[in-house]
Amino acid sequence: ETGVTQTPRHLVMGMTNKKSLKCEQHLGHNAMYWYKQSAKKPLELMFVYNFKEQTENNSVPSRFSPECPNSSHLFLHLHTLQPEDSALYLCASSHGTGLADNEQFFGPGTRLTVL
Amino acid sequence: EDKVVQSPLSLVVHEGDTVTLNCSYEVTNFRSLLWYKQEKKAPTFLFMLTSSGIEKKSGRLSSILDKKELFSILNITATQTGDSAIYLCAVGGWGDDKIIFGKGTRLHILP
Repeated sequence: ETGVTQTPRHLVMGMTNKKSLKCEQHLGHNAMYWYKQSAKKPLELMFVYNFKEQTENNSVPSRFSPECPNSSHLFLHLHTLQPEDSALYLCASSHGTGLADNEQFFGPGTRLTVL
Repeated sequence: EDKVVQSPLSLVVHEGDTVTLNCSYEVTNFRSLLWYKQEKKAPTFLFMLTSSGIEKKSGRLSSILDKKELFSILNITATQTGDSAIYLCAVGGWGDDKIIFGKGTRLHILP
């Protein structure tokens, strides 16, 4: 247990569905992140939130929409996804801001399959 | 273009062996190199390296960074089956919120 939880753990959705992934951290951290992990590809940083403010969006398509209502919760809203969006979506948090300076604590991920 | 390259991509050894995993990088404004272990889903932090030549150790694991040659190695001595995992190398840069991960080395330890 890393102190970061994600729900659901598995999700299957059609291309016309709308769904949301949830992440919660119980560590009192100030920064939260979304990553995408596809088979045979490096882990890709998608979004960065520092003190609830989005500071980074790595050219992610608009069909992925993040939301950070408070420093403990992070959502990823999904709509009209494509089959190539099927992947493991990992949430992480860190105490300090700055990816290069802080150890990240990862959640167990949501395995997403888009049909 | 920034990149992080790990080698080998896959490695199978017997319990008790020593392994060395490699990570080379080309990243502008280098700030730190991080190693993570991913067993099932959630990567867990191993080391953060910022200075050349200073070895970091944790039990049977150790790592060192060479900022001149732009690489790091992760050593695991007296391997155990519990060391089987994917080992991820990541490099962070100064200034912008950037982190680049390698594809990982999949290590399998045979009993």
